[in-house]
Amino acid sequence: ETGVTQTPRHLVMGMTNKKSLKCEQHLGHNAMYWYKQSAKKPLELMFVYSLEERVENNSVPSRFSPECPNSSHLFLHLHTLQPEDSALYLCASSQPKRGLDTGELFFGEGSRLTVL
Amino acid sequence: GDSVTQMEGPVTLSEEAFLTINCTYTATGYPSLFWYVQYPGEGLQLLLKATKADDKGSNKGFEATYRKETTSFHLEKGSVQVSDSAVYFCALSFYGNNRLAFGKGNQVVVIP
Repeated sequence: ETGVTQTPRHLVMGMTNKKSLKCEQHLGHNAMYWYKQSAKKPLELMFVYSLEERVENNSVPSRFSPECPNSSHLFLHLHTLQPEDSALYLCASSQPKRGLDTGELFFGEGSRLTVL
Repeated sequence: GDSVTQMEGPVTLSEEAFLTINCTYTATGYPSLFWYVQYPGEGLQLLLKATKADDKGSNKGFEATYRKETTSFHLEKGSVQVSDSAVYFCALSFYGNNRLAFGKGNQVVVIP
């Protein structure tokens, strides 16, 4: 069992739908991330939350809306997506040591999104 | 900006063959370097890392040495197994900052 759980594993939606991806981490970490993984492209960092505060938003379109209600849960709300948004969305968490990040992220298995 | 470049294309090799996956980086300063592995149907997991020049990271028979002079962090394994079939990602970050920059990844297929 992974320490980071993502649901759903697969999602198919139309361009006018509204859906959400959920991530839950059981590791006691205080930082969480959303990454987008597209074929033949580097992983793209979308959002970073530290202690439930958003600390980074890498120019992600507003049709992606993150939410972090507590340090264990992270959501990605989706609305009016485009076909090019089809990708694997990965959630990750980390825990700084002595106040500094170590570079080790713990990833979930991802949510495979298809936009029709 | 800071970036990581991995060799193009998938890698297919026979069991017990020697594996090398090239990784070079561009960064101002001295980043920490990582290899992450993604097995089929799973998320990424840290394979090994090195935090300063000439450090060697190793795990599960894989090794990579931080080469400042060539800005490289090539991944090697002397004898691969079918279970090593996965996608391998090179990444960098700066100490204290978990904003990893990843390469495109290399699909490795090991055939019996």
